[in-house]
Amino acid sequence: AQSVTQLGSHVSVSEGALVLLRCNYSSSVPPYLFWYVQYPNQGLQLLLKYTTGATLVKGINGFEAEFKKSETSFHLTKPSAHMSDAAEYFCAVKLGRNSGGSNYKLTFGKGTLLTVNP
Amino acid sequence: NAGVTQTPKFQVLKTGQSMTLQCAQDMNHNSMYWYRQDPGMGLRLIYYSASEGTTDKGEVPNGYNVSRLNKREFSLRLESAAPSQTSVYFCASSEDPSTDTQYFGPGTRLTVL
Repeated sequence: AQSVTQLGSHVSVSEGALVLLRCNYSSSVPPYLFWYVQYPNQGLQLLLKYTTGATLVKGINGFEAEFKKSETSFHLTKPSAHMSDAAEYFCAVKLGRNSGGSNYKLTFGKGTLLTVNP
Repeated sequence: NAGVTQTPKFQVLKTGQSMTLQCAQDMNHNSMYWYRQDPGMGLRLIYYSASEGTTDKGEVPNGYNVSRLNKREFSLRLESAAPSQTSVYFCASSEDPSTDTQYFGPGTRLTVL
């Protein structure tokens, strides 16, 4: 089984400031990890993902995340926030492909709403 | 490519009415999914179809039925709508169940009065 905890349902930053959105997971086997973004009244769009290999992954729009197995974390960062980054962000976890179990299920966190102040 | 499309975009029902939400994808994906999104709850899986001809329950299947009509289309039916089913419904698809990325449609906003 797997679960995701996103710390902070709402994060507010100033334009140009660092963005840090926190995600911790639990998984009985090596996981696949994802960040999705949802702009108002739209569907979810993949920002980035970690499956295997390099633990620092880069995504679209200048975002990146680092998989830290010892901390069971996959925090999302961006060095400098832009007004267009205002959206809701979802962390998600999936069992890895060779986990030996059913790995269809993508489990989402409850989301973090990011607001960017001018 | 349109990706994943959903119809309708908005719907208002009265308690007890039925309706079908439609979803289609043009990416030749094998697997399709239905989620609901409620404030503060994230997305929860209702049903999924690993491949054409198969469907399975997800986390919150009660009150819903699904049909995988063909490889492209996956519909979600509410037989007797209840106010608790007021939500935003998202369809998604992926190449196969073990493939990493799911691609999402724009959603259907359903209100049950």
